[in-house]
Amino acid sequence: VIWMTQSPSLLSASTGDRVIISCRMSQGISSYLAWYQQKPGKAPELLIYAASTLQSGVPSRFSGSGSGTDFTLTISCLQSEDFATYYCQQYYSFPLTFGGGTKVEIK
Amino acid sequence: QVQLQESGPGLVKPSQTLSLTCTVSGGSISSGGYYWSWIRQHPGKGLEWIGYIYYSGSTYYNPSLKSRVTISVDTSKNQFSLKLSSVTAADTAVYYCARSGEMAIFDYWGQGTLVTVSS
Repeated sequence: VIWMTQSPSLLSASTGDRVIISCRMSQGISSYLAWYQQKPGKAPELLIYAASTLQSGVPSRFSGSGSGTDFTLTISCLQSEDFATYYCQQYYSFPLTFGGGTKVEIK
Repeated sequence: QVQLQESGPGLVKPSQTLSLTCTVSGGSISSGGYYWSWIRQHPGKGLEWIGYIYYSGSTYYNPSLKSRVTISVDTSKNQFSLKLSSVTAADTAVYYCARSGEMAIFDYWGQGTLVTVSS
């Protein structure tokens, strides 16, 4: 099983800020990493896959980088609709696993 | 536009079997090319992948739940289902159904359904 550690678990930020979320793997996964956004009471939505490829319709202020064991999700200019919880997911091997989540809250 | 909708009892007694169904619209399960998964989220916690099924009936389960999980498909109804046996309070969660392709990333999700295990 590949374990994933997301940090921070809670991030306080203001509109317009640049935020960076980290996801670290217990073993290398090449670029088999996805990022999701989840708002309260809603299902997660796919933002990024293959570590850095933006899903269709996702704003360009979102970007992903990394390979191997260390990955980051960057929101370049935080908007009000971006306050949510973000999860990483590895699909390098089964069972598929998710990080513990990072909640981005209003400062 | 593909849509998924979970249905099933919201309350299950301990030791009983949790049963949920996911109805897919806007696309056919039997057309192939996609895997149909169940994922759960304990209250206030992260996401746990339970397992998937392909239209042919082939399955893969998370080893942590494998002994209690059965996922089945009914292509005539465009539905797939989850059964989780011998439930305890630890199985209380929001259960999602979701679609993934060869890359095993989830591009379409149901809205989720809360299942509470309690007597």
